[in-house]
Amino acid sequence: GAVVSQHPSRVICKSGTSVKIECRSLDFQATTMFWYRQFPKQSLMLMATSNEGSKATYEQGVEKDKFLINHASLTLSTLTVTSAHPEDSSFYICSAGGLGNNEQFFGPGTRLTVL
Amino acid sequence: GQQLNQSPQSMFIQEGEDVSMNCTSSSIFNTWLWYKQDPGEGPVLLIALYKAGELTSNGRLTAQFGITRKDSFLNISASIPSDVGIYFCAGQGTNAGKSTFGDGTTLTVKP
Repeated sequence: GAVVSQHPSRVICKSGTSVKIECRSLDFQATTMFWYRQFPKQSLMLMATSNEGSKATYEQGVEKDKFLINHASLTLSTLTVTSAHPEDSSFYICSAGGLGNNEQFFGPGTRLTVL
Repeated sequence: GQQLNQSPQSMFIQEGEDVSMNCTSSSIFNTWLWYKQDPGEGPVLLIALYKAGELTSNGRLTAQFGITRKDSFLNISASIPSDVGIYFCAGQGTNAGKSTFGDGTTLTVKP
């Protein structure tokens, strides 16, 4: 149990376009999901907390209009990188919880490359 | 914000050796988590700790929640080549599920 999937696993896009990344909890319901980004050889940096049925909570320094988060159901959260630029190239990872404890289970990540 | 200091940053060991890594914080955490990340993949949860002083094992892995709630360590016994990867500690405060991550320990195991 506790499987989290992400789609796509890898995406390459042109500068100025928007990219949507999906995060799904496959065998449990997740009232809360978290979005992280990770640069090469660095740790995970929390971007935002995605709450089902309400607005996401963004960490300081993360532009909410740049990184749109929608948590439409208990099993799906989406992150849309709008007007992507090369500096947005990164590894984006989601995690999901809601299993009673504070355990967070991570998706496999999405590698975004903006040309 | 809360910060975690994870050490060592990297380790190069021989197969069969034991490994120890730790995380310390200036803040108190309610939950400590240890993850392993392979290249190009998401972190995989190894051990979760919920009580100060708790000592938990998962196969060859053992982790402890420090009594002060400001530190945790992870031990790996009798390392094998597949233990190679980056190990992250993560602490959670009162905001359930919201984790602060350490900078990671990169483990290399030489056969």
